[in-house]
Amino acid sequence: NAGVTQTPKFQVLKTGQSMTLQCAQDMNHNSMYWYRQDPGMGLRLIYYSASEGTTDKGEVPNGYNVSRLNKREFSLRLESAAPSQTSVYFCASGGQRVSNYGYTFGSGTRLTVV
Amino acid sequence: GDSVTQMEGPVTLSEEAFLTINCTYTATGYPSLFWYVQYPGEGLQLLLKATKADDKGSNKGFEATYRKETTSFHLEKGSVQVSDSAVYFCALDENRGSTLGRLYFGRGTQLTVWP
Repeated sequence: NAGVTQTPKFQVLKTGQSMTLQCAQDMNHNSMYWYRQDPGMGLRLIYYSASEGTTDKGEVPNGYNVSRLNKREFSLRLESAAPSQTSVYFCASGGQRVSNYGYTFGSGTRLTVV
Repeated sequence: GDSVTQMEGPVTLSEEAFLTINCTYTATGYPSLFWYVQYPGEGLQLLLKATKADDKGSNKGFEATYRKETTSFHLEKGSVQVSDSAVYFCALDENRGSTLGRLYFGRGTQLTVWP
């Protein structure tokens, strides 16, 4: 099925470890986004990419880096994981008419940092 | 700046009850409005949308009307089912015609329906 694929679905890290969350979309969308979801906080934008080769900070970028590898893929990297980064991470993509069609979301990565 | 305010949950209802989840927004211009639903353990799915004033979005028995005069987009369903238990998010897009769409989300409202 067409959509947004995130890997892995679950991950446990020790404090200080690094990891990369992968996201790929097959809808030929230009824009891609990374959010984190925490209880009572809703969705908070970490980074976004308007198009291949560009990335910009969102509301909560500290402790993260991103790479827009090509039009399909947008990865999120935690260089030195901290317990405060325990969260559920969602990747999303948007086509040229976000105002008409909104975003398509992946199923999420549940990350625990111990 | 643009923002969305949703009624705080959780909301607990019996099956077949009437549902309203309030959503109001602040925006310049004429945003598009959305409701997303997140079932347990899943990502967000688009439930319905409205792109201009007085439009009514509908899907799966849910409805919401874009009210510019009250800057609202309340979600309603006449008779909820246990399977409607989920988190519901209201969102807006600035709709300024740029190539980058940017959705602003409310904090989400947890709905639990009991049989």
